[in-house]
Amino acid sequence: DSGVTQTPKHLITATGQRVTLRCSPRSGDLSVYWYQQSLDQGLQFLIQYYNGEERAKGNILERFSAQQFPDLHSELNLSSLELGDSALYFCASSRTSGSSYEQYFGPGTRLTVT
Amino acid sequence: AQSVTQLDSQVPVFEEAPVELRCNYSSSVSVYLFWYVQYPNQGLQLLLKYLSGSTLVKGINGFEAEFNKSQTSFHLRKPSVHISDTAEYFCAVSDTTGTASKLTFGTGTRLQVTL
Repeated sequence: DSGVTQTPKHLITATGQRVTLRCSPRSGDLSVYWYQQSLDQGLQFLIQYYNGEERAKGNILERFSAQQFPDLHSELNLSSLELGDSALYFCASSRTSGSSYEQYFGPGTRLTVT
Repeated sequence: AQSVTQLDSQVPVFEEAPVELRCNYSSSVSVYLFWYVQYPNQGLQLLLKYLSGSTLVKGINGFEAEFNKSQTSFHLRKPSVHISDTAEYFCAVSDTTGTASKLTFGTGTRLQVTL
């Protein structure tokens, strides 16, 4: 158990809908990262937040947005969902921001868009 | 942009045999390198990391990796595998510049250990 929690574990929704994925980092961790894992794209970095502020952005679609709240939990919002958004979405956290700090991964949320 | 290439998509091996999972990186600057393991229906777990110093890095579960700058490689090895090592293994690289962090992953190597 990494200490990072993600809810829900599974999510099934229809095209065009909007969903919110939630992540609680390890106690004391200030940085939260979101990754997408799909069969065709592999594991891709989406976005990083550090202490409530966006710190780095990767291949995140405009239909996707994220935020980190004062209690440090984070939410990833996916809107106008398409079939191709079906994937495993991971949240990770680290003590602070910086490449040498280990990222601890949550169990993921499996999103299925039908 | 930094990238990593995992040369083998699948590696079958018998239990108690040695194994090497290959990873090559491309970068013109210094890098941090990681190996993660993903068991079925689970998140990623860090096996080991190279930040600087000794080029031979030891990790959990008996795994080790060697950083080779001249060959831009960071291969993962285990002298004797167990059935429980069956999993997907990912090599990743991290940008050392600035204060932002992101991991760039390889495509993964599926290690299948059989009796």
